[in-house]
Amino acid sequence: NAGVTQTPKFRVLKTGQSMTLLCAQDMNHEYMYWYRQDPGMGLRLIHYSVGEGTTAKGEVPDGYNVSRLKKQNFLLGLESAAPSQTSVYFCASSYLRAATGDYGYTFGSGTRLTVV
Amino acid sequence: AQSVTQLGSHVSVSEGALVLLRCNYSSSVPPYLFWYVQYPNQGLQLLLKYTSAATLVKGINGFEAEFKKSETSFHLTKPSAHMSDAAEYFCAVTRQNTGGFKTIFGAGTRLFVKA
Repeated sequence: NAGVTQTPKFRVLKTGQSMTLLCAQDMNHEYMYWYRQDPGMGLRLIHYSVGEGTTAKGEVPDGYNVSRLKKQNFLLGLESAAPSQTSVYFCASSYLRAATGDYGYTFGSGTRLTVV
Repeated sequence: AQSVTQLGSHVSVSEGALVLLRCNYSSSVPPYLFWYVQYPNQGLQLLLKYTSAATLVKGINGFEAEFKKSETSFHLTKPSAHMSDAAEYFCAVTRQNTGGFKTIFGAGTRLFVKA
């Protein structure tokens, strides 16, 4: 099925460890995003990409890095995990149909990360 | 700065009662507006969206929302709540800027449905 796939779904890290979260979309969307979701705070944008080879900082980028080497993939890296990065991470991609002005988002199912 | 405010972090209704979840936004230009639903341990699922067509937008599961520019609101309603509607709901605003599209999410409203 077409959509946004995130791996892994769950992960437990020790403080100081590193890891990479993978997001893959097969809808040929230009824009991709990484969010974190914490109780009572909605979704906060970490980094985003407006196309292959480009990335930009969002609202809460500190402690994270991203790469978009291929259009369909958007990787989120934690170089040295901290307990404050315990969260649920969501990837999303978006489209704009210029002819109709239709705009939409598709979300992945999330990665639950715990840093101990 | 663009912002989205969802009034009430928790809303409780009885089964069969009207559901009203409030969302107000600040935006200097007409935005794209969305409502998403999130069930426990799942991702966000699109309920409905406003993209400058009809101001009254109908979504899935009997939900609808009305865009009121004068009130900068996009409240979500459903005439009769069902137990399966219990979930968290997020309002989101997207507008285009020089860096592409930027989306801001509200903090969410958790809907409880009592039998």
